[in-house]
Amino acid sequence: DQQVKQNSPSLSVQEGRISILNCDYTNSMFDYFLWYKKYPAEGPTFLISISSIKDKNEDGRFTVFLNKSAKHLSLHIVPSQPGDSAVYFCAATEMTDKLIFGTGTRLQVFP
Amino acid sequence: EADIYQTPRYLVIGTGKKITLECSQTMGHDKMYWYQQDPGMELHLIHYSYGVNSTEKGDLSSESTVSRIRTEHFPLTLESARPSHTSQYLCASRSGTSYEQYFGPGTRLTVT
Repeated sequence: DQQVKQNSPSLSVQEGRISILNCDYTNSMFDYFLWYKKYPAEGPTFLISISSIKDKNEDGRFTVFLNKSAKHLSLHIVPSQPGDSAVYFCAATEMTDKLIFGTGTRLQVFP
Repeated sequence: EADIYQTPRYLVIGTGKKITLECSQTMGHDKMYWYQQDPGMELHLIHYSYGVNSTEKGDLSSESTVSRIRTEHFPLTLESARPSHTSQYLCASRSGTSYEQYFGPGTRLTVT
């Protein structure tokens, strides 16, 4: 049973517009969430995280929103740039040593 | 900047061969992890370590083994490679004060 779900396998956005990547989770014990970005033939790179005591965290062009009641989080990228084209993974933890990852969403930013 | 290295980056090997995938980090992190990932799928934890002489199995059953004799080094070994082992193997580490894991570039393994 998959505890972290990214239901959109791909997303295509025009350069300069907003990219919104979504993630749902089923385990109500998760209390820390992370987003990673992965280019082909490279390892994932940490982007941004959020604790369950917050509902928003912002870092430059990246903002993560957390809706605990809906068990949903989203990553907003504004403005989107061609270099943002990659696979984005959502991950969650119960503040233990383990991260549970979603299946990823492939973002393509076109000119 | 995270410094975690994996070698080889790509490996094509025949069935039955013994292989060791290397992972090293220079950040002094106690906690290290091995993940397996297939295209379009999530990362699955196969092994982790809390520190020297500590190794634990992850959530995904794996025929591989690991060792942790030095803090900076966490190699993964397959005694007899099979085509079902074809996958990407990712090594990661983290400090004890943060939940963010830093990943190496991965090893793409193909067993023929």
